[in-house]
Amino acid sequence: LAKTTQPISMDSYEGQEVNITCSHNNIATNDYITWYQQFPSQGPRFIIQGYKTKVTNEVASLFIPADRKSSTLSLPRVSLSDTAVYYCLVGGAGRRALTFGSGTRLQVQP
Amino acid sequence: DTEVTQTPKHLVMGMTNKKSLKCEQHMGHRAMYWYKQKAKKPPELMFVYSYEKLSINESVPSRFSPECPNSSLLNLHLHALQPEDSALYLCASSQAPVESLVKTQYFGPGTRLLVL
Repeated sequence: LAKTTQPISMDSYEGQEVNITCSHNNIATNDYITWYQQFPSQGPRFIIQGYKTKVTNEVASLFIPADRKSSTLSLPRVSLSDTAVYYCLVGGAGRRALTFGSGTRLQVQP
Repeated sequence: DTEVTQTPKHLVMGMTNKKSLKCEQHMGHRAMYWYKQKAKKPPELMFVYSYEKLSINESVPSRFSPECPNSSLLNLHLHALQPEDSALYLCASSQAPVESLVKTQYFGPGTRLLVL
């Protein structure tokens, strides 16, 4: 299984840009990188998915270097409501794509 | 409609009880999942159904019995649970079967289970 490593926790202030990095040294050729956000007592919510280079949507950007051994989720101008746990998943098909890492607990302060 | 619903929201049961958790989606998704999540831990995969057939069982104890009656419904039957089974049980679905590329998973809000 593709093992991922993320920081356990991060702190930020409202209005700042937050970058959360995920390491995945044994990523396979067919693997995609997917990020989810989870609030307490709720199910995870899909944020963004990418394969290489850069992907951007209305809530986040995902930066993936050429070797694909890491990825960075970028949240622009965070607010208090972005306080959550962020999970990086790496995989394509099967259980590889369904294994959550330990996640990063982001705390946004006013 | 991009919603996955789960019932009940909360469940308290004794170790001799039999209960069921229900999950429903109307997005036409062909893969459905059960995850278990303990406090401050990531979700752990339990079962996967693809096209209403059990595709993955992550060596889950037999006191948990999944069922997929049709493409929109997923049940998890519980019997003779232990207190350590207390957790948040999450259901999810995705468009493609798990054997192909897994894109977005849509999660329900979960059922908070307490086993006494």
